[in-house]
Amino acid sequence: QLQLQESGPGLVKPSETLSLTCTASGGSIGSSNYFWAWIRHPPGEGLEWIGTIYYSRSTYYNPSLKSRVTIPVDTSKNQFSLTLNSVTVADTAVYYCASGYSGFGTFDYWGQGILVTVSS
Amino acid sequence: EIVLTQSPGTLSLSPGERATLSCRASQSINSRYLAWYQQKPGQAPRLLISGASSRATGIPDRFSGSGSRTDFTLTISRLEPEDFAVYYCQQYGNSPPFSFGQGTKLEIK
Repeated sequence: QLQLQESGPGLVKPSETLSLTCTASGGSIGSSNYFWAWIRHPPGEGLEWIGTIYYSRSTYYNPSLKSRVTIPVDTSKNQFSLTLNSVTVADTAVYYCASGYSGFGTFDYWGQGILVTVSS
Repeated sequence: EIVLTQSPGTLSLSPGERATLSCRASQSINSRYLAWYQQKPGQAPRLLISGASSRATGIPDRFSGSGSRTDFTLTISRLEPEDFAVYYCQQYGNSPPFSFGQGTKLEIK
C-alpha cells in the first residue's frame, strides 16, 4: 500500500519561495505504475490542483500557477517536491501530495497534508 | 477550459435520508474521467467513485455515481452519521488535465 508524507516549513514570508517534499513508501517514485501530484486546500475554499509529474518526467501545471511552480523528483530518496515562487497570502493553504495509477486520473493515495501559512 | 460546478453548495439532511449531489461540466467530458471524493474536517480527501460510477475499494454500496456528458450525480442512498462531510467532483484528461468542483457540504439537519 502506497503511503505519502509531506514535510517542509509551516511558515513562509511573502515574496519568498515555498518548498515542500513528499516522501513515498510502499512504492517507487521511479515506477511507471504511478503519477505524482500536489493539491492544495486554501482555508474556506475548495481543492485546487497544482501540478502533476509522470514517470516520463512530463509535467503539467495548473495554468493559474504555471509561472511559479516546479515539481522535481529525486528517485534516490524516493521523493518528489513542490517549489512555488513569489508567494503571497493567497498561497496560504493545506498542501497535499497525492498519487494515482498511470493511465488513470484519480488521486488514489494522499498524504495527511501540511498547513503552510504565508505571513511576515 | 472545463469548469465543474457543484450544486447545491450546502445540503442539510437527516441520517437515514437520501442525498443527491450534482456536478455539471461546462463542456461534455468522457464519463470515464469523472471522479468523486469525500473530505472530512482535518483529513485528506478520500476517493469514492471513479469513471463516474465505479466505487473505489472499500466504499460502501450506499454510495453510487451516475451521469454522462455534462451532468453527473453522486447519490448516497441512506445517510449514515459518518457521511456528513464535503464532497468534490473531479475531472481528468481534459484542459486543464485535472480540476475539481468547488464542493458540496453535506450537513446534519
